[in-house]
Amino acid sequence: QKEVEQDPGPLSVPEGAIVSLNCTYSNSAFQYFMWYRQYSRKGPELLMYTYSSGNKEDGRFTAQVDKSSKYISLFIRDSQPSDSATYLCAMTNAGKSTFGDGTTLTVKP
Amino acid sequence: GAGVSQSPRYKVAKRGQDVALRCDPISGHVSLFWYQQALGQGPEFLTYFQNEAQLDKSGLPSDRFFAERPEGSVSTLKIQRTQQEDSAVYLCASGTSGRDEQYFGPGTRLTVT
Repeated sequence: QKEVEQDPGPLSVPEGAIVSLNCTYSNSAFQYFMWYRQYSRKGPELLMYTYSSGNKEDGRFTAQVDKSSKYISLFIRDSQPSDSATYLCAMTNAGKSTFGDGTTLTVKP
Repeated sequence: GAGVSQSPRYKVAKRGQDVALRCDPISGHVSLFWYQQALGQGPEFLTYFQNEAQLDKSGLPSDRFFAERPEGSVSTLKIQRTQQEDSAVYLCASGTSGRDEQYFGPGTRLTVT
């Protein structure tokens, strides 16, 4: 079993919908939690970064970490067609990051 | 400012050839990471440098893979005697420290025929 499991998708939503993306993990040593967005044939782009349980908000994006349940989420409000991409969760321990396999999101106009 | 750059962007190699992939990190970033990303999967950790020191190479799949960062800036990932299973996108990322956010380059897509 992988250390990081991500809801596989794909996910298709209408423009304006609230999107929920989720990952679970098994290694309690993970200290930092990130969400990346990756467009086709591009490198991952950092969206959110957090190291504590709770919520962190940045514009339309909210990252949620629950260390007791080993569960992280990314919420996207008022989703736009430009949000269509693959979203990757990642977790870091001692410099080494472990990624989920990504959820591909399509936001339809 | 300039982000992480990688070259070449695309590389086709015949099985058995050696390849060298280059990464130019963001200026001033001390940490540098290499990842391998297969189609439809997340990046897999290969190796990590702090300045010129290679602190973790546990993800390198075999002794055919070698990475260096001799002056603590530019890094090269070398793959000897390439095999078809080496076909993937190789991503480089840099950061201000090993405990901080990582910024990715566009990747090098390697195809071994």
